[in-house]
Amino acid sequence: RKEVEQDPGPFNVPEGATVAFNCTYSNSASQSFFWYRQDCRKEPKLLMSVYSSGNEDGRFTAQLNRASQYISLLIRDSKLSDSATYLCAVNKAAGNKLTFGGGTRVLVKP
Amino acid sequence: DGGITQSPKYLFRKEGQNVTLSCEQNLNHDAMYWYRQDPGQGLRLIYYSQIVNDFQKGDIAEGYSVSREKKESFPLTVTSAQKNPTAFYLCASSNPGMGASEKLFFGSGTQLSVL
Repeated sequence: RKEVEQDPGPFNVPEGATVAFNCTYSNSASQSFFWYRQDCRKEPKLLMSVYSSGNEDGRFTAQLNRASQYISLLIRDSKLSDSATYLCAVNKAAGNKLTFGGGTRVLVKP
Repeated sequence: DGGITQSPKYLFRKEGQNVTLSCEQNLNHDAMYWYRQDPGQGLRLIYYSQIVNDFQKGDIAEGYSVSREKKESFPLTVTSAQKNPTAFYLCASSNPGMGASEKLFFGSGTQLSVL
């Protein structure tokens, strides 16, 4: 089993709809969790950190489920500009050696 | 503006040739990283350095070498021993131990192709 796994997609989403996808991790000692957005052939950019209590940033909501060892990202009111690959990243411990998932591709269509 | 600069943006390697990818940061970050990304896949860690003059192998270090002589610079050499070097290479930096700030900042990447 991979350390960090994601459904590669693509998730085809009508504009204005809601889409959600998960990222599972294998190490129960993992401490820090992040969602990155990556456009084609560009560098990943931090979308949001994921806190134990969950967090929301505008149309984006991230949640952590430690019992089932996954994090989730929900995008409400999808925009065409949300089309991208979303990478999750997990840190085993302090020291910041992040392990990335393979990414979930989201395509928002008119 | 502070940031991470990678160069070149595109690089071509001939068979048996060593090539070096440059990564410079002016964020005063202690830690620097090299990742490799193959099409449709996530990032895999090649090497990382948490302090000057020290570095550790990541998950796929074979065929690569690095140096960290200066805090702001972390060049990656792709040696002839790396038989499948074609990939998108990303350099990143961070300040570990900063709690909620322990996140990665990425350069814009180098696309390496074999001629």
